[in-house]
Amino acid sequence: QFVVTQSPSASASLGASVKLTCTLSSGHTYYAIAWHQQQPGKGPRYLMKVNSDGSHRKGDGIPDRFSGSGSGAERYLTISSLQSEDEADYYCQTWGTGVRLLFGGGTKLTVL
Amino acid sequence: QVQLVQSGSELKKPGASVKISCKASGYNFRTYGINWVRQAPGRGLEWMGWINTNTGSPTYDQGFTGRFVFSLDTSVSTTYLQISSLKAEDTAVYYCARDRDIVVVAGASDFDYWGQGTLVTVSS
Repeated sequence: QFVVTQSPSASASLGASVKLTCTLSSGHTYYAIAWHQQQPGKGPRYLMKVNSDGSHRKGDGIPDRFSGSGSGAERYLTISSLQSEDEADYYCQTWGTGVRLLFGGGTKLTVL
Repeated sequence: QVQLVQSGSELKKPGASVKISCKASGYNFRTYGINWVRQAPGRGLEWMGWINTNTGSPTYDQGFTGRFVFSLDTSVSTTYLQISSLKAEDTAVYYCARDRDIVVVAGASDFDYWGQGTLVTVSS
């Protein structure tokens, strides 16, 4: 069964870096994913697409502090120089031929 | 710039219908498909389906067949989501979102622009 898994929560200190993970199910490790940010009370915002080779392409206006990478079944979102406004829910999305378009359950990031 | 602007919040009684809109601007409307996504209170994002903005052909994900209808009016660059026979469990924020890639089938792209969301509350 095709699933994407995210840790429910993460935390890091103001000014530090954090790496969030999205894990693809076995047999689907070559799929790309996208990261979306949802700040409290707001709609989602597209951050980037992360390909299976770890390369990424960011959306319009996304700061350099946000970057993507990947290894095997895992796709990462790294946020450096954490700011208070980075406190949000982060969702990964996956899609592709022969699989359902899916969102992960989201990771709630707390900036300490 | 690309924008998706959705209609305002709705309060409906069980059994009623609701039609919410998503107006696109800043790009050629018929080039990119539009998706609908549901977010129940305190829950994550759930893809409902997609409409081909060139042909008007909709595709519904499992769980969203029957009472849910996607439509569009290309003359005003607007897509619509209609939900009939509303139930309490339909209470949610509904988002429209644009495909990032030019694709001709549902579920074949990530989403690069989102509407601000429309809260639908179903309560007697």
